[in-house]
Amino acid sequence: DAGVTQSPTHLIKTRGQHVTLRCSPISGHKSVSWYQQVLGQGPQFIFQYYEKEERGRGNFPDRFSARQFPNYSSELNVNALLLGDSALYLCASSLGPISNQPQHFGDGTRLSIL
Amino acid sequence: AQTVTQSQPEMSVQEAETVTLSCTYDTSESDYYLFWYKQPPSRQMILVIRQEAYKQQNATENRFSVNFQKAAKSFSLKISDSQLGDAAMYFCASHGAGNMLTFGGGTRLMVKP
Repeated sequence: DAGVTQSPTHLIKTRGQHVTLRCSPISGHKSVSWYQQVLGQGPQFIFQYYEKEERGRGNFPDRFSARQFPNYSSELNVNALLLGDSALYLCASSLGPISNQPQHFGDGTRLSIL
Repeated sequence: AQTVTQSQPEMSVQEAETVTLSCTYDTSESDYYLFWYKQPPSRQMILVIRQEAYKQQNATENRFSVNFQKAAKSFSLKISDSQLGDAAMYFCASHGAGNMLTFGGGTRLMVKP
């Protein structure tokens, strides 16, 4: 079975632009979470979606938004990009939203802001 | 709010030797889970081992084991018989209420041949 897939692998944008990152969960997984990992730091939680509803939100500005589709894939959108948004964006899927179900991560999207 | 602290930015170990990575956490939750993830240069975060807080028995997965001290809020990872492929960033994480994983800052493990 395929693991969590993310696209694109790399992306270069300029300040003020908008970006959309995509994630397909493992088959059968209904929960998707997004994390931002700045170089040299641990990942920071952005969002969790389960059954197309937002179930958790981290401490990120409103420029960050996400959604989950009926097939459980997800998009992360970031508006008005800032230099500080440069990071590795990780998507993780799990069977459900509760804490006893381990999250499985994709390879991430490397976003660079010029 | 949960916090996770890894006090060792870098560790090194000789191949075939044993190394222990430290992690402390703070949480107000009574029911939570703790994890160690490995992140090689390929970027993918790989689950190494997990521990349910309500279980007193320490989790083990082949060469990987944890020392879970609930009262001290300590969760260290022991890697036995270290292999070159173990070289990576290791992240300790907690998962409780709020449906999110809280990660520590990571420990870079180097394995010397």
